[in-house]
Amino acid sequence: NAGVTQTPKFQVLKTGQSMTLQCAQDMNHEYMSWYRQDPGMGLRLIHYSVGAGITDQGEVPNGYNVSRSTTEDFPLRLLSAAPSQTSVYFCASSGTDMNTEAFFGQGTRLTVV
Amino acid sequence: QKEVEQDPGPLSVPEGAIVSLNCTYSNSAFQYFMWYRQYSRKGPELLMYTYSSGNKEDGRFTAQVDKSSKYISLFIRDSQPSDSATYLCAMSGGFSGGYNKLIFGAGTRLAVHP
Repeated sequence: NAGVTQTPKFQVLKTGQSMTLQCAQDMNHEYMSWYRQDPGMGLRLIHYSVGAGITDQGEVPNGYNVSRSTTEDFPLRLLSAAPSQTSVYFCASSGTDMNTEAFFGQGTRLTVV
Repeated sequence: QKEVEQDPGPLSVPEGAIVSLNCTYSNSAFQYFMWYRQYSRKGPELLMYTYSSGNKEDGRFTAQVDKSSKYISLFIRDSQPSDSATYLCAMSGGFSGGYNKLIFGAGTRLAVHP
């Protein structure tokens, strides 16, 4: 049982490069989200989606794009990487029942040099 | 001012101690309150979930929510070395506010030593 799978686990980028962080879930969850975790800051919401074709911004969306073409996948794109985007990125998914929990992936550690 | 405040610790206790972790918040729209546990280099895992005010107990863990004071707590009884992790409080405003739009505290790092 895979749950939420994130790839890659580690990535080093040069400033100005672009890349896509992949997230896939196999639980047929409608809701998917991207968070970043920085020391002393907890997790902050970047973008989220309430279903295929529907996305919205979270607390810290600048510099990131998302799309949701299928229920299973929710990729996060860094358009032009900056050192300030060095962080650990977590993808999460949850069902529509308010009593269901959000399941998190194992994270992607991104360093921008 | 952050919407959710949590003392980052670190907190170091001996095995068997009672641990008290807490968060305060400013947004009165929050209705769902959660505690996540995060081991080093892993994703957060849901530990406790409470809707609105009240207490909830699960084994050695008790979650309390006091909406009048905008204060939530997690108590760990008979703490074990395996409880050593970072504990994150999280809140959301419910379906109309986006159930999956979780607002997290900074996390408290807990170390339980034998």
